[in-house]
Amino acid sequence: AQSVTQLGSHVSVSEGALVLLRCNYSSSVPPYLFWYVQYPNQGLQLLLKYTTGATLVKGINGFEAEFKKSETSFHLTKPSAHMSDAAEYFCAVSADNQFYFGTGTSLTVIP
Amino acid sequence: EPEVTQTPSHQVTQMGQEVILRCVPISNHLYFYWYRQILGQKVEFLVSFYNNEISEKSEIFDDQFSVERPDGSNFTLKIRSTKLEDSAMYFCASRPERGYTGELFFGEGSRLTVL
Repeated sequence: AQSVTQLGSHVSVSEGALVLLRCNYSSSVPPYLFWYVQYPNQGLQLLLKYTTGATLVKGINGFEAEFKKSETSFHLTKPSAHMSDAAEYFCAVSADNQFYFGTGTSLTVIP
Repeated sequence: EPEVTQTPSHQVTQMGQEVILRCVPISNHLYFYWYRQILGQKVEFLVSFYNNEISEKSEIFDDQFSVERPDGSNFTLKIRSTKLEDSAMYFCASRPERGYTGELFFGEGSRLTVL
């Protein structure tokens, strides 16, 4: 069975500061990992994904994430937060024909 | 680029009424899914569908829910007798059978409000 844990349901950062959103997973088979962003009253937008190959994955809007198998983590980072990054972020794991979301992290960017 | 489309984008209904949410998956995809997101909460798996039958369902997907692929393009979620707690955003998703890289392709969602 697969599961996803996102530490911190709410994260606040100052504009220009580093964004770090944490995601840990458990999976009995090699997983595929994803980050989605959801703006208020909108759908799910894929930020980036890890399937195979390079463990550092770059996505849209300057975000990137690194798959660390030894730590079972897939944390999302962005060097410099922008006001437009304020949104809900969901980590997701896909393995063994199952696809599950984490509980989400709400990112607030302080001007 | 092919995309999953959902209708309606927003539906308001009275408690006890039947609701049908419609989805048109990407044309060469063969696996279909419904997820639910209650306002402010996580996105929860409801059901997956393959080869004209349910392949997996969660405990949320009780007898008041049903899914159907009535023709070659649509995939529907029916809620037989809506309750207040069914108010949520419902997301449809699909994926191909071959060349699967774990990604599901999501629609924009249908917001259901039960009064």
